[in-house]
Amino acid sequence: EVQLVESGGGLVQPGGSLRLSCAASGFTFSSYEMNWVRQAPGKGLEWVSYISSSGSTIYYADSVKGRFTISRDNAKNSLYLQMNSLRAEDTAVYYCARVMDTAMVTFDYWGQGTLVTVSS
Amino acid sequence: QSALTQPASVSGSPGQSITISCTGTSSDVGGYNYVSWYQQHPGKAPKLMIYEVSNRPSGVPDRFSGSKSGNTASLTISGLQAEDEADYYCSSYTSSSTLVVFGGGTKLTVL
Repeated sequence: EVQLVESGGGLVQPGGSLRLSCAASGFTFSSYEMNWVRQAPGKGLEWVSYISSSGSTIYYADSVKGRFTISRDNAKNSLYLQMNSLRAEDTAVYYCARVMDTAMVTFDYWGQGTLVTVSS
Repeated sequence: QSALTQPASVSGSPGQSITISCTGTSSDVGGYNYVSWYQQHPGKAPKLMIYEVSNRPSGVPDRFSGSKSGNTASLTISGLQAEDEADYYCSSYTSSSTLVVFGGGTKLTVL
């Protein structure tokens, strides 16, 4: 069974940093592209970042470019999101999502999410 | 403002059919067949319902179908059931640097 479990969320002050993790199991993690998608309270989904299976190709949403860094450790079956210079508008539930192997930018499995709250 | 435009809400009675639209541009919906639809119940993670415009993942009922015409994609749910009440989001590949864009979401109410 495919499982994605996020962790690392919490309360952080504006300007602070946080590192999210996503532990994957039930599939060959190193073969799949991965993403982070967030959802502000009561709002819609917003794509945040993409990383290829090898980690060699990375994309970011304009809203986080230069502040967030996506990475992965295929040996540990883990995906990460380093978030720096956090702002109030970064407050959201952050989901890690797997890209379907037969369909580009299609997210076939999602974690349960981890809440990040940026507030003083 | 979301890159893809969806109606804020739709409603229907059990057994009826509803359609949710998702309007983009030639740089996303209109230019590529990489449109997906996700269902999200309150407090839950999104679930993939349709991919590549009209394909259903294994386990998704055939009451759910997708289509596209020009810059607008559509999700149709036939034979509405109470458990279909949820938020629905479309997404598309985009040729901009953003890579993926989502719609603002549509709340489906089953009356």
